[in-house]
Amino acid sequence: DSGVTQTPKHLITATGQRVTLRCSPRSGDLSVYWYQQSLDQGLQFLIQYYNGEERAKGNILERFSAQQFPDLHSELNLSSLELGDSALYFCASSGGVSLSGANVLTFGAGSRLTVL
Amino acid sequence: SQQGEEDPQALSIQEGENATMNCSYKTSINNLQWYRQNSGRGLVHLILIRSNEREKHSGRLRVTLDTSKKSSSLLITASRAADTASYFCATTSRVNNNDMRFGAGTRLTVKP
Repeated sequence: DSGVTQTPKHLITATGQRVTLRCSPRSGDLSVYWYQQSLDQGLQFLIQYYNGEERAKGNILERFSAQQFPDLHSELNLSSLELGDSALYFCASSGGVSLSGANVLTFGAGSRLTVL
Repeated sequence: SQQGEEDPQALSIQEGENATMNCSYKTSINNLQWYRQNSGRGLVHLILIRSNEREKHSGRLRVTLDTSKKSSSLLITASRAADTASYFCATTSRVNNNDMRFGAGTRLTVKP
């Protein structure tokens, strides 16, 4: 158990639907990252929050949105789902960038989304 | 788009052999990290090397960084079947410390 909790673990839904993925960071971590991993692919960076504020944005589609709440948990909302959105969605947390510029991530187990 | 690109995409070796994976990146970085992923699971941090470092060791892992060539290598010595996994490099942008991008990964298979 990494300390990063993602729910649900599995989700099956239909095209056009909307889903919400939830992430609770490791205790004490202020930063949350979201990544998408399609089958046998690398990780696509979606978005990052630090203590409730968006700090970095990657290749996140307009149909997707995210936020980090005051209790530091984060949600990733995926709407108007398409077949190509089927993927593993990972959340990772960190304590933030240290003075040395290092930002080591602790990953959750992922949420597997299947769009039919 | 992904920042790092690993090479090779897949590597198959016998137990006891060394495995070398390479990573190339495009922009200036603050640091480079290597992560491991067992099939379908979350990634686990292995080692970090800062932009002013050239080599770092951790157990059976050796990482090198050549900022002039924008490349890094991960060497796993005396490999074991349990090392079978995908290995990813991740870079942190010098422009934005919070922007961390991963490569496509190298899938390593170690045969017993």
